[in-house]
Amino acid sequence: AQKITQTQPGMFVQEKEAVTLDCTYDTSDQSYGLFWYKQPSSGEMIFLIYQGSYDEQNATEGRYSLNFQKARKSANLVISASQLGDSAMYFCAMRNNYGQNFVFGPGTRLSVLP
Amino acid sequence: GAGVSQSPRYKVAKRGQDVALRCDPISGHVSLFWYQQALGQGPEFLTYFQNEAQLDKSGLPSDRFFAERPEGSVSTLKIQRTQQEDSAVYLCASSLELGLAGVEQETQYFGPGTRLLVL
Repeated sequence: AQKITQTQPGMFVQEKEAVTLDCTYDTSDQSYGLFWYKQPSSGEMIFLIYQGSYDEQNATEGRYSLNFQKARKSANLVISASQLGDSAMYFCAMRNNYGQNFVFGPGTRLSVLP
Repeated sequence: GAGVSQSPRYKVAKRGQDVALRCDPISGHVSLFWYQQALGQGPEFLTYFQNEAQLDKSGLPSDRFFAERPEGSVSTLKIQRTQQEDSAVYLCASSLELGLAGVEQETQYFGPGTRLLVL
């Protein structure tokens, strides 16, 4: 079964600086998708970015980019020009190909300092 | 269009009470998922539906948990004889399709969750 590891329980970043949130995954599948979600204190999971395993280019969505290193099985999220509103929990996830549900990592709590 | 909605947002139940949690997915979304999120942890899968068919309920923690989606749209998660360990946030998500790769088909969109507290 798939497994997601996020080794940073908490991260701090200064406003306007860039920050990288780590994610490594374990899968035996050749075709898979990786997702990042943001969960602010309100509780809703907000989809940020997707990377397909066959995508040759790293995914980008506005200030979010995904540093995808397939051989190392890592899919780190890079947030550029951090804003105070970026303070939240961030979850890395992938689809469980033995079922169809998402498998989530434990999350990283990001705090943006003014 | 409207996103995924869930009700109630908050529920306080006495131990032993039955509760029902409702999820309205995005219109046209075939797949619907329920997750349980304990405090400070990532969501854990409970069950999912493709239209009205419940294709996987392997994540349901006990036979006190029951989910249905009778007409392929709204879903209800029911917990009978609630216990304190059932206290968690219950998240519902929907996606366009199952079994197809790609961001459009695979991305799951989540509701705001129902925060359940069992006393």
